[in-house]
Amino acid sequence: DAGVIQSPRHEVTEMGQEVTLRCKPISGHDYLFWYRQTMMRGLELLIYFNNNVPIDDSGMPEDRFSAKMPNASFSTLKIQPSEPRDSAVYFCASTGASNEQFFGPGTRLTVL
Amino acid sequence: ELKVEQNPLFLSMQEGKNYTIYCNYSTTSDRLYWYRQDPGKSLESLFVLLSNGAVKQEGRLMASLDTKARLSTLHITAAVHDLSATYFCAVDMSSFSGGGADGLTFGKGTHLIIQP
Repeated sequence: DAGVIQSPRHEVTEMGQEVTLRCKPISGHDYLFWYRQTMMRGLELLIYFNNNVPIDDSGMPEDRFSAKMPNASFSTLKIQPSEPRDSAVYFCASTGASNEQFFGPGTRLTVL
Repeated sequence: ELKVEQNPLFLSMQEGKNYTIYCNYSTTSDRLYWYRQDPGKSLESLFVLLSNGAVKQEGRLMASLDTKARLSTLHITAAVHDLSATYFCAVDMSSFSGGGADGLTFGKGTHLIIQP
């Protein structure tokens, strides 16, 4: 199994631009999670889906953030407009019946 | 609000020594997870502890869970340099949400350096 796949691995953009992060979960997993990691705040849950339906988005920081999961094999996290304080590593994770979450390699976002 | 506290946050130790990392959490839960993160890398799942008294071992690492005390420990035996990394514990409330998965609340991590 290829594991959780994220793209891009690195993204550098300017303030005000739209950023789209992508995630492909492990095949057969019915839960998908988006987390953010920063030095100041550590690892934070942003949102998670079950069977493509958003279950808890209380961690999404602002309306500038949105996430979708149009099918079982693809999810996006969009930031529009981006701000320098959004700079972080964004991780996608997935799990199935075991509840053990497997993390993707992450996307390192830098907003200038 | 679920809070997860780890201590110590930084630990420098010598090879061959034993040590324990502690993870306390604030709300009743019987699901606790340990992850390892190397610099610039993703999180690697180490242990999943799903019940009170659960104990799991892999190589020089052993994790345990005491749900009554809301405490998990990660014990390192005869440390070696390759175990240098940041270790996170995380808790979820999935046992209270119908058994399905839930988002994880992480501790701040323990940055472990093992010196030759």
